[in-house]
Amino acid sequence: SAVISQKPSRDICQRGTSLTIQCQVDSQVTMMFWYRQQPGQSLTLIATANQGSEATYESGFVIDKFPISRPNLTFSTLTVSNMSPEDSSIYLCSVTDRRNTGELFFGEGSRLTVL
Amino acid sequence: RKEVEQDPGPFNVPEGATVAFNCTYSNSASQSFFWYRQDCRKEPKLLMSVYSSGNEDGRFTAQLNRASQYISLLIRDSKLSDSATYLCVVRPNTGNQFYFGTGTSLTVIP
Repeated sequence: SAVISQKPSRDICQRGTSLTIQCQVDSQVTMMFWYRQQPGQSLTLIATANQGSEATYESGFVIDKFPISRPNLTFSTLTVSNMSPEDSSIYLCSVTDRRNTGELFFGEGSRLTVL
Repeated sequence: RKEVEQDPGPFNVPEGATVAFNCTYSNSASQSFFWYRQDCRKEPKLLMSVYSSGNEDGRFTAQLNRASQYISLLIRDSKLSDSATYLCVVRPNTGNQFYFGTGTSLTVIP
């Protein structure tokens, strides 16, 4: 299994500001994923963070709004830019199992409230 | 149409009851199937993978019906600690995307 640390665990932010969420994994992983879980909704993949190249964004998500960094194989950041109340959500960092069983491991999530 | 659809519930059952959750998926090329459990204000964690032949883990039984594109989870002898949201997850045979259902809420009542 993988141990994933995320911070901040929660934050309350003002409209128009930006927040960077950090994700640290206890082992080297090729791909890291950023998900969003809005209240009462399922998890939605925002992007895949690739080390050494730009992140791959899913439909409906753009780099200007959700810039991602991946400086090494154990760390990634997601920034939520120019926030609005609609960005209030839980943001989750995730990695797949190294044995390629398909299991996803998640960080504890960052609960963001935008006022 | 959503990739994965689940009945959101809530399911409120007494201790000891048997409860079943169903899930349908839209992509017939999907390759891997899972049930995840998410406790309140916690991250999702894998409960069990779902294999074509069906599989059992203690009180939990998962079934896959590829022809009907349907996955089920059966929980026998429900415990209070089974109270959680159960997420159906499907992974296509290409790409990194895992598709999550909205989850089915279960509350086991003393």
